[in-house]
Amino acid sequence: QVQLGESGGGVVQPGRSLRVSCAASGFTFSSYAMHWVRQAPGKGLEWVAVISYDGGKKYYGDSVKGRFTISRDNSENTLHLQMNSLRVEDTAVYYCASDRGYSSSWTWYFDLWGRGTLVTVSP
Amino acid sequence: EIVLTQSPATLSLSPGERATLSCRASQSVGNYLAWYQQKPGQAPRLLIYDASNRATGIPARFSGSGSGTDFTLTISNLEPEDFAVYYCQQRSNWQNTFGQGAKLEIK
Repeated sequence: QVQLGESGGGVVQPGRSLRVSCAASGFTFSSYAMHWVRQAPGKGLEWVAVISYDGGKKYYGDSVKGRFTISRDNSENTLHLQMNSLRVEDTAVYYCASDRGYSSSWTWYFDLWGRGTLVTVSP
Repeated sequence: EIVLTQSPATLSLSPGERATLSCRASQSVGNYLAWYQQKPGQAPRLLIYDASNRATGIPARFSGSGSGTDFTLTISNLEPEDFAVYYCQQRSNWQNTFGQGAKLEIK
């Protein structure tokens, strides 16, 4: 079964760090770029970061640049998002999503999504 | 940053009717636009990519059109399961942005 499953969310204080992860199964994880997209409670969607299929290229949204780091372990079919210097405004459900394109032909469209993990940043 | 503005914010229709949702970009995005559907408590689902191509498994009643700055998602013959929030998304210059969302509700 093709699926993504996020984990690692929780409650954290401002300024602290948290790492969320995404486990992939049922498809060739190492052949697809992967994204993180977040959604604050009751709000719209915000793209966070992308990593190429081989981990060689990474891009970030302006609101998280310099604070968040995306990484992947293709041997474990796992995607990670290391979040440092967290702010109250980072509170959101964090979704991992696979790119629609294959290998180096990534499209920046989000095809398969996980169910999300909630990160709450609160004093 | 390219801003996407969706209209209307809320559309109230009955099953069987036709829905037309708009997305306007602050500058040209070519045809690099997608549409997603999100139901309460669920992750979004890709419906349309590159402005007019249906994603895998998406019913033919969903169609997309437009290019440049003006785009439309049309849902013909609304089914009860189509009532949800819809987002447009553009990708350009290594950045993505989403519209603010449009709610399609049952009248």
